Amino acid sequence: DAKTTQPPSMDCAEGRAANLPCNHSTISGNEYVYWYRQIHSQGPQYIIHGLKNNETNEMASLIITEDRKSSTLILPHATLRDTAVYYCIVALDSNYQLIWGAGTKLIIKP
Amino acid sequence: SAVISQKPSRDICQRGTSLTIQCQVDSQVTMMFWYRQQPGQSLTLIATANQGSEATYESGFVIDKFPISRPNLTFSTLTVSNMSPEDSSIYLCSVEDDDRGTYEQYFGPGTRLTVT
Repeated sequence: DAKTTQPPSMDCAEGRAANLPCNHSTISGNEYVYWYRQIHSQGPQYIIHGLKNNETNEMASLIITEDRKSSTLILPHATLRDTAVYYCIVALDSNYQLIWGAGTKLIIKP
Repeated sequence: SAVISQKPSRDICQRGTSLTIQCQVDSQVTMMFWYRQQPGQSLTLIATANQGSEATYESGFVIDKFPISRPNLTFSTLTVSNMSPEDSSIYLCSVEDDDRGTYEQYFGPGTRLTVT
């Protein structure tokens, strides 16, 4: 079973920041938080991952709470092309077995 | 990041037949993975394929049903054998990009299989 809990769906207005929450209360000290997304009819796409510190790249920011029991993926200026299912996954850096939950279906509205 | 292609992109097959799906990567990678995504569902790992060794299958998947080849560091095949309608799914291969030194996976576009 997936070790994460995400809301099944969210809406966001185009141009606004999309904040996608994820709960991972049973995360262990050496497990990373990964985010992927899957646009309709495409393979999943890696977005970002982190261990303890907040991370930012060209796609998104990842905010991990101090107790590491939850995190938030932030898409700073959502566009229509960001409409996708977003998956939050907890995994060991040395363990390739990503356990995929149901994800959050994010719909960006004009 | 690694660029991955899959063939075929989609197919419609009759029950009892077999289909071999090809996965080609534009760079040499150690780890390749095969996933199944049933309609409306999330991804399930079928097996991990390392070059030069037998594939490692996840619980619920067996080699007789899903034989995998990994002849070199840029290529792998997954065969779906003796197909039934329950095998109708999207099959995805993914790789870990060795050059980046991190563990994110990169996915192919998937093969959409319909079994009638």
